Amino acid sequence: TQTVSQSDAHVTVFEGDSVELRCNYSYGGSIYLSWYIQHHGRGLQFLLKYYSGNPVVQGVNGFEAEFSKSDSSFHLRKASVHWSDSAVYFCAASLMNQGGSAKLIFGEGTKLTVSS
Amino acid sequence: EAAVTQSPRNKVAVTGGKVTLSCNQTNNHNNMYWYRQDTGHGLRLIHYSYGAGSTEKGDIPDGYKASRPSQENFSLILELATPSQTSVYFCASGDAGGGSQNTLYFGAGTRLSVL
Repeated sequence: TQTVSQSDAHVTVFEGDSVELRCNYSYGGSIYLSWYIQHHGRGLQFLLKYYSGNPVVQGVNGFEAEFSKSDSSFHLRKASVHWSDSAVYFCAASLMNQGGSAKLIFGEGTKLTVSS
Repeated sequence: EAAVTQSPRNKVAVTGGKVTLSCNQTNNHNNMYWYRQDTGHGLRLIHYSYGAGSTEKGDIPDGYKASRPSQENFSLILELATPSQTSVYFCASGDAGGGSQNTLYFGAGTRLSVL
């Protein structure tokens, strides 16, 4: 069974601080990992993804994530947050099934609050 | 830009009534999905589709049906709505296959209250 877990339900930081949002997954095979952002009252928007190659991937708005196979993790980071980064962040894993199409499994989400 | 439109945006239904949530995408994506979002659970997959005429059960399909009459449209049907189905529902489209990861494009959501 494939699972995605985000251990922090809420994270609060000050504007200009760095932040790391944690994501761990459990699956023994090849897996795609991604992060999505959800602003209040909106649908989810894609931030970045990883499948292979450089374990550090860059996304939009200064976000990056680092894959670690040994830790089964795909943590999201930003060096200096802005108040507009306040949102809920979802980690997701996709498992390729026989049809060649992917079904995304989402973590529980981490609500990031950036205070000024 | 990819566009996924859900209707209605808000719906109040009575217990035992029939509810249909509609989703339209203009991305020409093969795959479409219905998720529900509840506090403490994140997003849970209800039904999905690989293309017109196909529907597949997701992780929590009980009490829901889906219909994909065309590439563009994917509906979620609650034949006998129950209060436990009060939630926010999201439709998404994506195109995967050939080793490419499925990036999803989400609609704005439908807030359903079953009284």
